Amino acid sequence: EAQVTQNPRYLITVTGKKLTVTCSQNMNHEYMSWYRQDPGLGLRQIYYSMNVEVTDKGDVPEGYKVSRKEKRNFPLILESPSPNQTSLYFCASSLFLGAVEAFFGQGTRLTVV
Amino acid sequence: AQTVTQSQPEMSVQEAETVTLSCTYDTSESDYYLFWYKQPPSRQMILVIRQEAYKQQNATENRFSVNFQKAAKSFSLKISDSQLGDAAMYFCAYNYGQNFVFGPGTRLSVLP
Repeated sequence: EAQVTQNPRYLITVTGKKLTVTCSQNMNHEYMSWYRQDPGLGLRQIYYSMNVEVTDKGDVPEGYKVSRKEKRNFPLILESPSPNQTSLYFCASSLFLGAVEAFFGQGTRLTVV
Repeated sequence: AQTVTQSQPEMSVQEAETVTLSCTYDTSESDYYLFWYKQPPSRQMILVIRQEAYKQQNATENRFSVNFQKAAKSFSLKISDSQLGDAAMYFCAYNYGQNFVFGPGTRLSVLP
């Protein structure tokens, strides 16, 4: 089954404790991206990757890091999480940028206390 | 910068009736893509319908159709014969190149 898998689905952590949210897709997609969803703001793009070893900032990259060492994986790293990073996070992938449907993961609800 | 506006934070519709969700966007580009995504309580993002800006014809997917007015930069979603399962948050989205911009969403309730 074609899918994007995020883990964990829920995470509560403390300020400053490094964490990683994993994202994996099994569709051999080139394009992957991370979004955060906040009430009244919709989804905002954090980082995106056009292919292996190619990543770039989206609209709200501060406080986040990503890597794309393999085509299927695109982890999101919070080196020192802060309460303002409490949000719902989505990973998405598509065959290439823009032309076709983006497949979304199930979302990760992150709470930073 | 591109922006997407959904002016209706919440809407409701009676089961079997028709409802239209509004979306406007701002861009200086001529060739781009527009989407409507549905997010039910499960949080899953589900593509409802997609429109290429260079196509004059409005996209249709079963009970879902759009009214794409390129000059007015308007992209509304019409849901016909509304069903209880249509209750969800609906996001309008714009894509050009690496820019993928979502609107703030409209929460749709379907009344039995």
